Amino acid sequence: GEDVEQSLFLSVREGDSSVINCTYTDSSSTYLYWYKQEPGAGLQLLTYIFSNMDMKQDQRLTVLLNKKDKHLSLRIADTQTGDSAIYFCAESMRNSSASKIIFGSGTRLSIRP
Amino acid sequence: NAGVTQTPKFQVLKTGQSMTLQCAQDMNHEYMSWYRQDPGMGLRLIHYSVGAGITDQGEVPNGYNVSRSTTEDFPLRLLSAAPSQTSVYFCASSYSLTGNTEAFFGQGTRLTVV
Repeated sequence: GEDVEQSLFLSVREGDSSVINCTYTDSSSTYLYWYKQEPGAGLQLLTYIFSNMDMKQDQRLTVLLNKKDKHLSLRIADTQTGDSAIYFCAESMRNSSASKIIFGSGTRLSIRP
Repeated sequence: NAGVTQTPKFQVLKTGQSMTLQCAQDMNHEYMSWYRQDPGMGLRLIHYSVGAGITDQGEVPNGYNVSRSTTEDFPLRLLSAAPSQTSVYFCASSYSLTGNTEAFFGQGTRLTVV
C-alpha cells in the first residue's frame, strides 16, 4: 500500500540543526519532496530528490535518501525562528493506472530561544 | 501571477447542504488535485485529475464529486455536507508527475459543517 509516515512534532533550540525524518512504503516512488507550510498558508516546495540519488544539498537544507530502508530525512542547519512551520514529506508515484503525490502527516517544527 | 486560486477562503454549512469549492490555475498544468488537511492526519488525497476530462479517486473520495471540463478549473462538490467533512481543503496543481515537478497549492478553504 501507499503510506508516508512522519513524527508529528520536533522542538529544537535556535541555532541548532533540525532533522526531520520520513519513511515511505512504495519502492516505485520516482521523486520525493519536502514541503513547508507556514501558519494559515498553503504548502510550498522546499526541495526534492530523485529516487536514484542519495543526497542533495541546497544552502541550509540537506536531504538524505536511504532507498534500501525507504527513509528520507531533511536537515536544516542553523535553525532560525523563521523555520517554524509544518514540514511535509511527499512521494510521487506512478503505477499502471495512475500517477499521484502522497503526503505524510507533517512534522510541526518549533524553535526554542 | 495568480497561480492556484481557491474560493471561498471560509465557509460554514449546515448538515445536508451542498456546495462547490472552486479551484482555478493559470499555469496550464495538467495535474490537479484536492486534499483535505485534518489535525494529526496530514494531507489526504480526495480526488485528482491528470487532464481535462479525466478524474480519479484518491484516499478519501466518499461524499465528494469532481469534474474537469477545462484544464484551468477543478471544482470540488460536497453533495450533502456532514460534520465529518469539517476540514481545511487544499487544491494543488503541477505540470506533470513524471519529472522534478513542483506542486503549487492554493491558500486553502476552511470549511465548518454544523
